[in-house]
Amino acid sequence: DAKTTQPPSMDCAEGRAANLPCNHSTISGNEYVYWYRQIHSQGPQYIIHGLKNNETNEMASLIITEDRKSSTLILPHATLRDTAVYYCGAQGGSEKLVFGKGTKLTVNP
Amino acid sequence: DTGVSQDPRHKITKRGQNVTFRCDPISEHNRLYWYRQTLGQGPEFLTYFQNEAQLEKSRLLSDRFSAERPKGSFSTLEIQRTEQGDSAMYLCASADISNTEAFFGQGTRLTVV
Repeated sequence: DAKTTQPPSMDCAEGRAANLPCNHSTISGNEYVYWYRQIHSQGPQYIIHGLKNNETNEMASLIITEDRKSSTLILPHATLRDTAVYYCGAQGGSEKLVFGKGTKLTVNP
Repeated sequence: DTGVSQDPRHKITKRGQNVTFRCDPISEHNRLYWYRQTLGQGPEFLTYFQNEAQLEKSRLLSDRFSAERPKGSFSTLEIQRTEQGDSAMYLCASADISNTEAFFGQGTRLTVV
């Protein structure tokens, strides 16, 4: 199982881009990188995932390095509602999603 | 469809008692996952089902833990002879066959006193 490491906390100003890094140096070739977020007292919510290529959806962008050892989740215009714990995880052929310890993002007004 | 539903939301039990949690996944989702989350930690994988078959169990799942998914619909997670270390949030998630995105319930918070 790939192990992911993330900074425990980050701050971001409202309206600015939030860039959340994740290291997954032991990820295997068939494991996808997934990002979820968890707002207090709720279950995790899916954000985005990718294998090799950069991905973008209505919530965020995911940049994966060429060697796949790290990735960055980008929230282009952070709002106060984006304050949450963001989890980077890996999921491969075994079909289970393995989460890291997460980054607590605080968006400040 | 109201999403993944878990019952109860909160459970307080005395050490040594048995508890059972229920998870109702999103209709037509054939994959169902159980995770455990303690304060300040990410969710830890416990087990998962594809339809009624339990395909993988974590080493975290001791003999006191058992999960079932009869008929491939709802699932139950039972903890026998609860210990204080079992206190945690128990999360259930479901996904369809493509497994692109897992939908989580709001969890059951267990407190063992």
